[in-house]
Amino acid sequence: QKEVEQDPGPLSVPEGAIVSLNCTYSNSAFQYFMWYRQYSRKGPELLMYTYSSGNKEDGRFTAQVDKSSKYISLFIRDSQPSDSATYLCAMSESPGNTGKLIFGQGTTLQVKP
Amino acid sequence: DAGVIQSPRHEVTEMGQEVTLRCKPISGHNSLFWYRQTMMRGLELLIYFNNNVPIDDSGMPEDRFSAKMPNASFSTLKIQPSEPRDSAVYFCASSAGTYNSPLHFGNGTRLTVT
Repeated sequence: QKEVEQDPGPLSVPEGAIVSLNCTYSNSAFQYFMWYRQYSRKGPELLMYTYSSGNKEDGRFTAQVDKSSKYISLFIRDSQPSDSATYLCAMSESPGNTGKLIFGQGTTLQVKP
Repeated sequence: DAGVIQSPRHEVTEMGQEVTLRCKPISGHNSLFWYRQTMMRGLELLIYFNNNVPIDDSGMPEDRFSAKMPNASFSTLKIQPSEPRDSAVYFCASSAGTYNSPLHFGNGTRLTVT
């Protein structure tokens, strides 16, 4: 069993829809949780960064962490065709980028105009 | 800032040949990471450096893989000899190495070993 599980999709939604992306994990020591977005032929770029449980909102994006269930989510409101990309969850035991990040497989999202 | 620069963007080589991938991190960043991405395994950490010193190389798959960081502005990942199963996209990333400083990824080197 992988440490981080993520449904690879693909997920196809109409423009304006609310998108829900999820990851589950098995390592209870993970404390730092991130979402990266990766466009085709590009490197991943950081979207959201959260510590421990709770919600964080940034514009149309909301990240949720439920450590008791070992489950994290990313919600995208009013989705746009420009949101079409692969979304990777990532997590670590130590502060974000001072140690090892474990990534999910990535979920491919397509937003149709 | 130009971001993390990787070269080459694409590399096609024959099995048994030596391959060297190069990375220039963002100036001022003191942490550097090498990742490999495949359809089957996703994004996997191979090795990372802090202040040019290798900290964790447990992700390096075999002795055929080696990485160096001779100075703060340059790193290499070498595969010798290369095998078809090494075909993947290799990413270099750097960060300032402080709390919540993000990883900045390069655009990767797509390696094909025939």
